[in-house]
Amino acid sequence: KNEVEQSPQNLTAQEGEFITINCSYSVGISALHWLQQHPGGGIVSLFMLSSGKKKHGRLIATINIQEKHSSLHITASHPRDSAVYICAVKGSQGNLIFGKGTKLSVKP
Amino acid sequence: NAGVTQTPKFRVLKTGQSMTLLCAQDMNHEYMYWYRQDPGMGLRLIHYSVGEGTTAKGEVPDGYNVSRLKKQNFLLGLESAAPSQTSVYFCASSPIRFNEKLFFGSGTQLSVL
Repeated sequence: KNEVEQSPQNLTAQEGEFITINCSYSVGISALHWLQQHPGGGIVSLFMLSSGKKKHGRLIATINIQEKHSSLHITASHPRDSAVYICAVKGSQGNLIFGKGTKLSVKP
Repeated sequence: NAGVTQTPKFRVLKTGQSMTLLCAQDMNHEYMYWYRQDPGMGLRLIHYSVGEGTTAKGEVPDGYNVSRLKKQNFLLGLESAAPSQTSVYFCASSPIRFNEKLFFGSGTQLSVL
């Protein structure tokens, strides 16, 4: 069983829809990252959080430490949000364990 | 702002050839990392550095060597390339703490024939 599981693997949405991407993990962590990989391949760090909720523009990330679960929400989705979203957890040893990513496609 | 710059962006090698990938960052970051990304798998750490002159092995170090002679540069070497090293390689850096606030390069697509 993978230590970091993302769901869904693929997601297609219509422009304007509210989107949720989930990340579950099975190890103890000190922090969790959400990353965005553009269609051209570049990777950008979106959030790092260890508790509660963070918001940046139309993106919201939440984490529930007890349930070992995090969600990334996108409000009012736009075609430019099309990307692969990657969850990564920072384990107790400091190492990062990456999920396989969720491929999001937002249609106009 | 250049950020993290990787060169080259693409490379094709024959089995047994050697090459060096260069990663340069202009943000004065202490930590630097080399990852590989393969289809159907998450990013995996090859080697990392916690400061100038230091290097350490990550999750998948075999077949690779690294050097960090200058704080701004982190080199990844393949001494004798193998088809299993066909992958997309990403360099990253972080400023203060290990594996926090990561900045990534744009990636290097490497094919080994």
